Amino acid sequence: DVKVTQSSRYLVKRTGEKVFLECVQDMDHENMFWYRQDPGLGLRLIYFSYDVKMKEKGDIPEGYSVSREKKERFSLILESASTNQTSMYLCASSLEVLGNSPLHFGNGTRLTVT
Amino acid sequence: RKEVEQDPGPFNVPEGATVAFNCTYSNSASQSFFWYRQDCRKEPKLLMSVYSSGNEDGRFTAQLNRASQYISLLIRDSKLSDSATYLCVVNKVTGGFKTIFGAGTRLFVKA
Repeated sequence: DVKVTQSSRYLVKRTGEKVFLECVQDMDHENMFWYRQDPGLGLRLIYFSYDVKMKEKGDIPEGYSVSREKKERFSLILESASTNQTSMYLCASSLEVLGNSPLHFGNGTRLTVT
Repeated sequence: RKEVEQDPGPFNVPEGATVAFNCTYSNSASQSFFWYRQDCRKEPKLLMSVYSSGNEDGRFTAQLNRASQYISLLIRDSKLSDSATYLCVVNKVTGGFKTIFGAGTRLFVKA
């Protein structure tokens, strides 16, 4: 079974803080993703990566950056947290970008920015 | 118009009922299709892939209609444990690869 692990289940941060969300997968998947999920808006893609040191912007990259120094680890960085970044953040991985590979999700990090 | 649309529900059904969800997608170049299940405050988990010929997994049946651009999920003999949000997911390749999630349909199964 694929295991995607997110470092924190709940986080509370102050406005302006730099926030790091970590994600590790153990199945040697090429692709990793960061989503946020908000009521009524569904899942929205922030960034994804299809290889080490590669990154691509998703639909809502503003205010975020990412880092993929190792294949198994994909970090999401909030440079200066704002209250509108309060959300559930979900990391996912998949075997292939093209084709029928489904996404495997971590159990999420619920971030509150006060 | 959203690229993937679902009826948000909620669907309230008694145990043992049959319930069906539909999902429409706007991009005819969409390549692969999935249903995910998401429990309250948990992550989405793959329920089943959807194949062109239709496929079944126990009480769950998924169908794809490419001509009309919709997919469906049928749940037979509903259980209390089926209560969840069901997400329709579409992968498309044109204009760059993209996975698109519907906003989900909520199902409550009552005793």
